[in-house]
Amino acid sequence: GENVEQHPSTLSVQEGDSAVIKCTYSDSASNYFPWYKQELGKRPQLIIDIRSNVGEKKDQRIAVTLNKTAKHFSLHITETQPEDSAVYFCAASTRNRDDKIIFGKGTRLHILP
Amino acid sequence: DSGVTQTPKHLITATGQRVTLRCSPRSGDLSVYWYQQSLDQGLQFLIQYYNGEERAKGNILERFSAQQFPDLHSELNLSSLELGDSALYFCASSDGGAENTIYFGEGSWLTVV
Repeated sequence: GENVEQHPSTLSVQEGDSAVIKCTYSDSASNYFPWYKQELGKRPQLIIDIRSNVGEKKDQRIAVTLNKTAKHFSLHITETQPEDSAVYFCAASTRNRDDKIIFGKGTRLHILP
Repeated sequence: DSGVTQTPKHLITATGQRVTLRCSPRSGDLSVYWYQQSLDQGLQFLIQYYNGEERAKGNILERFSAQQFPDLHSELNLSSLELGDSALYFCASSDGGAENTIYFGEGSWLTVV
């Protein structure tokens, strides 16, 4: 079955710097890759997603890139702000097959003042 | 507000007991997912239902069971509870179709004492 590896598990960056979180997946049939942000004690919330027919997607300070050949995708956050501190989860899914969505183990992002 | 409703929000129960967690998906969503999140852990996929039928199964213990009813709400039953079952249980839903973005409920905090 699908396996999603996420690195690093913890990341500390200075406010204003960029943060990059990387994920790899095992099932070449995966075609949908969402990213979720979870603040302490709250539900995961979708922040951006990318489909397999696209190599990059950007939404303001957040961007995601996908390399289907290498089976990895990354989340990039630029000009980080204190409110970016949270746990970020990547996920991979095979839409229109079994639709199971498998999450990475998460990255705890700390934005340092 | 994601539109996914979970009850109860908090539950404290003793070892050996049985509890039922309830989830109402977003209006129009046919797929329901259950995830378990232990303290400082990732999102462990338990089970998925689509329009009343089991679609995918993850690391769900035999002591746990779930079902999705004709009105599309879902229940997760946890029996013979152990201390290690203490966790935040999330329900999520999606339309199960072309978009298949999943939206999480606020979660049910289960504490087993």
